[in-house]
Amino acid sequence: QQQVKQSPQSLIVQKGGISIINCAYENTAFDYFPWYQQFPGKGPALLIAIRPDVSEKKEGRFTISFNKSAKQFSLHIMDSQPGDSATYFCAASVSGSARQLTFGSGTQLTVLP
Amino acid sequence: GAGVSQSPSNKVTEKGKDVELRCDPISGHTALYWYRQRLGQGLEFLIYFQGNSAPDKSGLPSDRFSAERTGESVSTLTIQRTQQEDSAVYLCASSLIVGTVNTEAFFGQGTRLTVV
Repeated sequence: QQQVKQSPQSLIVQKGGISIINCAYENTAFDYFPWYQQFPGKGPALLIAIRPDVSEKKEGRFTISFNKSAKQFSLHIMDSQPGDSATYFCAASVSGSARQLTFGSGTQLTVLP
Repeated sequence: GAGVSQSPSNKVTEKGKDVELRCDPISGHTALYWYRQRLGQGLEFLIYFQGNSAPDKSGLPSDRFSAERTGESVSTLTIQRTQQEDSAVYLCASSLIVGTVNTEAFFGQGTRLTVV
C-alpha cells in the first residue's frame, strides 16, 4: 500500500516535444506529491510539488496534473530541452510534508537535440 | 555550508567490514533523513531525525544498520558487517520544520558504497 508506481522506465523525446511521466499510488493517506530531478552523480533536487487540493500546478515548462479519484499524478515537461535529460522521480508522503517520502522507481529522460 | 555535504563520495569496502558514512546538513535544518538508492531504482527511506526527538528508524533494513545525530548537526550512518547487497548510493537530506510541516528536503550528492 506504500508503493508508488512510476512509468515509463525510460523516455526519449525530441527537442521541443512534450515529455510525460506518470505515477500511481494506493495509499489514500498520501497528501504531498513532489517530483525530483536527478542528474548523474548528484542528489535529487525538488522540481515541483502538489497537494491534493488542486488538480494542476504549473511552474514554467513543468506541470503536475493530479487526479485524486484515480490516484494518479503526472509530470509534463513542455518544450523539452537537452538540458532536461535526467532521471525523474515521483514521490508521495503523508502529513503534507517531505517526511518519509515514498519514491517511484524513476524515469530516465533523454531529450535529443 | 551552502548545501548538504556527504563524505566520503565513494567508498569501497570488503564484505564483512564496518563502514561509517557522514552527513553535514544545511545549517539550521532540524530535520535530517537518510535514504538508500540501489542501481536503477528509486530511493528507499532509512531513518529520520527531528531535533532531539527519538528518531524514526522504521526504514532500517536490518540491525546491521544504525545512525546517530548529535543535536541538529552532523549525522553518521553506520553499516556493520557489510554485505554485497548493501552496495548502493546512500543519500542524506535535510529540511526545515515550519510548525508541524517538513518543508522542502535538500539532498546531498550521496556516498556510493561498493562492497566487494
